[in-house]
Amino acid sequence: AAGVIQSPRHLIKEKRETATLKCYPIPRHDTVYWYQQGPGQDPQFLISFYEKMQSDKGSIPDRFSAQQFSDYHSELNMSSLELGDSALYFCASSSRGRKFFGPGTRLTVL
Amino acid sequence: AQSVTQLGSHVSVSEGALVLLRCNYSSSVPPYLFWYVQYPNQGLQLLLKYTSAATLVKGINGFEAEFKKSETSFHLTKPSAHMSDAAEYFCAVRMTGGFKTIFGAGTRLFVKA
Repeated sequence: AAGVIQSPRHLIKEKRETATLKCYPIPRHDTVYWYQQGPGQDPQFLISFYEKMQSDKGSIPDRFSAQQFSDYHSELNMSSLELGDSALYFCASSSRGRKFFGPGTRLTVL
Repeated sequence: AQSVTQLGSHVSVSEGALVLLRCNYSSSVPPYLFWYVQYPNQGLQLLLKYTSAATLVKGINGFEAEFKKSETSFHLTKPSAHMSDAAEYFCAVRMTGGFKTIFGAGTRLFVKA
């Protein structure tokens, strides 16, 4: 069965650069979530979208933005990257309340 | 390849009753295993983790889980449910030495008064 796809799987950037992470939800899933997991930390909720509209907002920095497109894929845009942004970024999609996580994108900021 | 299966998308118990949330995994090497709890619109909070030490792992909020290699299971239990335990619970597996974490599909726990 198809799962949540995230790309890239690994990304290395320098401080002050920008990064774009992509998430492709499971087909027919209407909700996408983004989480950030720093080293040794629990995944923190960033933002979610339902039917291409932002539905909830968590601890997402102002330097980050996200959107969900007409094909339901979502992109997390991160600008002015800081060393502290180095983390694993998970995307999850859900339908009827059951959530499925992607494999994550590991972002390293040098 | 690693995978995680959580049996039951929803579990309903009465307050004071035993909580049992099931998780089975597959992994070609001994894994690390985790249970997370998620409240609405929040991140995931680590309840407990198994990292090849004691097979019975005690976590926060009275939860515990037992790693059973022969059954490839890591079920989460709590002797007495509390209303505040109502949340979604995720089992996850990670290969030792790796960073890739695979989450189960989650089990939503309902607690009835």
